[in-house]
Order: sequence, then C-alpha cells, then structure tokens
Amino acid sequence: GEKVEQHESTLSVREGDSAVINCTYTDTASSYFPWYKQEAGKGLHFVIDIRSNVDRKQSQRLIVLLDKKAKRFSLHITATQPEDSAIYFCAASKNNNNRIFFGDGTQLVVKP
Amino acid sequence: NAGVIQTPRHKVTGKGQEATLWCEPISGHSAVFWYRQTIVQGLEFLTYFRNQAPIDDSGMPKERFSAQMPNQSHSTLKIQSTQPQDSAVYLCASSFGTINERLFFGHGTKLSVL
Repeated sequence: GEKVEQHESTLSVREGDSAVINCTYTDTASSYFPWYKQEAGKGLHFVIDIRSNVDRKQSQRLIVLLDKKAKRFSLHITATQPEDSAIYFCAASKNNNNRIFFGDGTQLVVKP
Repeated sequence: NAGVIQTPRHKVTGKGQEATLWCEPISGHSAVFWYRQTIVQGLEFLTYFRNQAPIDDSGMPKERFSAQMPNQSHSTLKIQSTQPQDSAVYLCASSFGTINERLFFGHGTKLSVL
C-alpha cells in the first residue's frame, strides 16, 4: 500500500518567516494530495490540496508544490503568524477509492 | 451546520469492558471514515462506509473491533474486551463521497483503557 513520510517532525520559525514542510510518497498511482491541520484537542481541519494534473497550487499564504517524478510534495506557508502553529499532516490517495494515507505530522511552532 | 459530531468526547473503560463510540456525519455526506490516532502509530485508517455500505475495512483489527452504519445519520465503532493498547483518540470523518475530496473530521473520542 501507499506510505507517506513527513521529513520534519517539528519545525520552528519566527513570525513573518516562511515555513516549508516536505513529504514523500511511494505509490506512483497516487493522484490526490491533501493537507490537514490539527490544533490541540481538535480533529483535523482541511487546509489545501493538490491533484496530480498540476504541480503548483496557491491559496492566500499557502503554496503546495508537487514533483511527481520524485514523488515528493511540500507545503509552503508564507508570512507565518502565531495562529499557524499546529500539527500539519500531509496525505495521499489514489483515483480509485476514498482511502487517504496520512503522514506522521509536523509540529509547526511560530514564535512571535 | 454543526460539523461531524462524535460522542462521547472522553471515555474511560476498564480492561475487558466494551466501548461504543458514536459518530454523526454531516447531513448530506454519504461517506464516513474512522481513524485511530496515537503518538506512536500516528493516524491509522480503520474503515469507511459509503451510502451506509462498508467499502474498506482493511485497517480494522480482526478481533474485537467492529463498525456499523445502520442509517445515514450515524455510525458506531464498537470495541469488545478493551485492552490498554486500544487507548487512543478515535476520529470520525465524513465527505460527500466522491473520489479525492476533502474530509471533515470530528473532534474525536479519547478512549482510555485502564
């Protein structure tokens, strides 16, 4: 099955700097790559996704890059704010079912 | 829209007891997912339903765990003879059911088996 790995378990940045979280996947058939955010004591909350027909997507301060050849994707958060502090999960799934495989999460700390 | 509702928020059981966790998906959503989250294992897929039918239960432990979706408004995850290693946060999520779309998660049920 698919295996998604997040390279950074923790990431600390200063407010206003950019944060980058990197993930890799193993299954070349994966075509959908969502990102979720989890704040303390809460469930996961969708933040952005990218599909395999594009290699870049931006939504306000969030940019997702996808490199299908390297089976790598990343989340870039620009102009970070303290409220961006949370655990971020990358994930992957294929076209033929709804099952989503998650990475282990990256704890992002944005210091004022 | 209240979002995905999971009850109870916290459940404490003694070893060997049964635990039933409830999930109410968002109205109009046809797919319901169950995940288990622990520090050690991270987010583990358990099972999912579409239009109340079980589609993929490959993540469910073969013994003691079962999930049902008797109607479109709720799903249950039942753990029989709970063990300390079952302690985790159990997350339920729902979606409209089409392939490759965002999931809406509940806050989770924290199960503690003493």
